[in-house]
Amino acid sequence: DAGVTQSPTHLIKTRGQQVTLRCSPKSGHDTVSWYQQALGQGPQFIFQYYEEEERQRGNFPDRFSGHQFPNYSSELNVNALLLGDSALYLCASSLPETGTYGYTFGSGTRLTVV
Amino acid sequence: QKEVEQNSGPLSVPEGAIASLNCTYSDRGSQSFFWYRQYSGKSPELIMSIYSNGDKEDGRFTAQLNKASQYVSLLIRDSQPSDSATYLCAVRAGGSYIPTFGRGTSLIVHP
Repeated sequence: DAGVTQSPTHLIKTRGQQVTLRCSPKSGHDTVSWYQQALGQGPQFIFQYYEEEERQRGNFPDRFSGHQFPNYSSELNVNALLLGDSALYLCASSLPETGTYGYTFGSGTRLTVV
Repeated sequence: QKEVEQNSGPLSVPEGAIASLNCTYSDRGSQSFFWYRQYSGKSPELIMSIYSNGDKEDGRFTAQLNKASQYVSLLIRDSQPSDSATYLCAVRAGGSYIPTFGRGTSLIVHP
């Protein structure tokens, strides 16, 4: 049973560039959430996708956008990268009742903006 | 702003002892409570969930929930060096799909 797959594992980008991160959810899960985790902090919610729609969004600027495909995989796009966007980006898959059953996290993408 | 508070630690306990990790939350309407373990450089892993007041046991782990006092705790019995990690508390407020995470407590179990 494949878990949550994220790519790439590591990424180095320059300020002002754009980045796309990808996620395939665990088999049987149709809901994908994205989190940003800075060093020493807890994960911060970016947004959640369900049925190819953004179902809920956290307190992140419009530079952060996403998409969910019919096969439930998802992308996170960040435009106009800032140094402060450097973090571990986590994809979490779940059943729609996220708040009841919890998440399965992928291994994350470490983004460094220089 | 719904908040979840954890002492960042580190909490240091000897091997074989009971480790007690605590978490408080601000929203009285919170419905679901989770504990995740995160090893250094790795992603979080769900270890316990609890929804009702009282204790829930799973192996060496016990989650305790007190909604009146708005806290949830995690006890780890017979702590092992392999339990050394950051433990994240997550709380789902009423009316939201999304749990809010605390910043985590670092646990060190020394031989």
